[in-house]
Amino acid sequence: DSGVTQTPKHLITATGQRVTLRCSPRSGDLSVYWYQQSLDQGLQFLIQYYNGEERAKGNILERFSAQQFPDLHSELNLSSLELGDSALYFCASSVEPGTSAVNEQFFGPGTRLTVL
Amino acid sequence: LAKTTQPISMDSYEGQEVNITCSHNNIATNDYITWYQQFPSQGPRFIIQGYKTKVTNEVASLFIPADRKSSTLSLPRVSLSDTAVYYCLVGALTDSWGKLQFGAGTQVVVTP
Repeated sequence: DSGVTQTPKHLITATGQRVTLRCSPRSGDLSVYWYQQSLDQGLQFLIQYYNGEERAKGNILERFSAQQFPDLHSELNLSSLELGDSALYFCASSVEPGTSAVNEQFFGPGTRLTVL
Repeated sequence: LAKTTQPISMDSYEGQEVNITCSHNNIATNDYITWYQQFPSQGPRFIIQGYKTKVTNEVASLFIPADRKSSTLSLPRVSLSDTAVYYCLVGALTDSWGKLQFGAGTQVVVTP
C-alpha cells in the first residue's frame, strides 16, 4: 500500500460525458502527479501540482483539467470524453523534488476509465 | 533531458538472474538513474536509484560504469512474481517530475 488513494476504481461512461477522478496523496506529500496509461501510449505524464499550484504540464489535452485543493487532494476532470480516452489514470505523490535523496513517487492503484 | 533506451522484453526462468541494461548516452552530471517496477493494472513502484558504481538493496542491484552512459538493473534469483515491466528513468533530484519520462520499459516474463 503506497498510501495514495484514488476513487473510483472503475468508471464506465459514454462519449461526450464528463467525469471527475479523485486522488488523496500520501500523508505529508505536497506534490501530486497525474498520469494516463493506455495500451498504445504507455505511461504518459499529464500534470503536476505542488501545494495547490500547477508546477508542470505534460501531454494533457485541453478537454482535461486538474486542481489541487487546500487539503492537498487532487481532482482530474475529463470532459467531452472520446473512445480514445479509455485508459488507466494514475495519481502519484511525492515530497517536493530536490528535497529528498531519491526521485521516488508513490503511485495510487489507479482508476480504470472505459468510454463506450 | 537524457533519453533512455532499454530492451522491449526479456524472458527468464525461475531462479535465474535477470540483468536489464539501460542506455543513457546523454546523461548529465547532476542526473541520477532510477528504476521502477510495474505489475499489470498497478501503479509503478520505485525499486532502486543510483549515481555511480554499485547500489544494492533488498530487491535489486544497480550497476553503473564509470562513464555513466549505461546502467544495469540486476534481479537476483527471480520468481514468477517478478514478472513485470521495468522502467529506467534519468534525471536530477531537483527536476520536476514533468521532466522525467517513463519510456516503454522492459517487459520481463518469468516462467517456471
